[in-house]
Amino acid sequence: DQQVKQNSPSLSVQEGRISILNCDYTNSMFDYFLWYKKYPAEGPTFLISISSIKDKNEDGRFTVFLNKSAKHLSLHIVPSQPGDSAVYFCAATAVSSNTGKLIFGQGTTLQVKP
Amino acid sequence: DARVTQTPRDKVTEMGQEVTMRCQPILGHNTVFWYRQTMMQGLELLAYFRNRAPLDDSGMPKDRFSAEMPDATLATLKIQPSEPRDSAVYFCASGRRFGELFFGEGSRLTVL
Repeated sequence: DQQVKQNSPSLSVQEGRISILNCDYTNSMFDYFLWYKKYPAEGPTFLISISSIKDKNEDGRFTVFLNKSAKHLSLHIVPSQPGDSAVYFCAATAVSSNTGKLIFGQGTTLQVKP
Repeated sequence: DARVTQTPRDKVTEMGQEVTMRCQPILGHNTVFWYRQTMMQGLELLAYFRNRAPLDDSGMPKDRFSAEMPDATLATLKIQPSEPRDSAVYFCASGRRFGELFFGEGSRLTVL
């Protein structure tokens, strides 16, 4: 039972354009969402997060949008740079569970072409 | 610069052999997680600990996998006997009770 789904295994965009990565979840208890970035041969690193009390969070070129009614979130990267090429994982947790347990999606491989 | 340390980085073994992966979490972090990266499942949660106590290991095949945390500086994941389908990258991550996780670089396991 995949509670967090990233339905696009890969995405290719041109440098300078916008990258949009999508994520869907099924568990209505999830109330905190995170994006991680992973380069080859490295562990995932935290990128940006959003609480369910917000619908948008911005950090430089990265913006995460949350649509609670649709159980959908997206990560926007503007402008995209070749160094953004990596695997992006969406993750979710239920703060109320008090466990810190993160459930991850399958990942989306982003390629930004120069 | 605090980081999660995992050993070995790469392990090639034959089917049926025992494999032990080790993790040193970041000092002060009270939760430790083991994840497995596969193409189909992405980052799959295997087990996790809080204050060294196992909270959930429902993601692990119980008959062959075991996870322990003998002290605050060491977490282990053991596979006995290993099978080719266990081939994957295994990540350890640590964090505080709520918040972002810090991942190690992973242990790439190949079972022939």
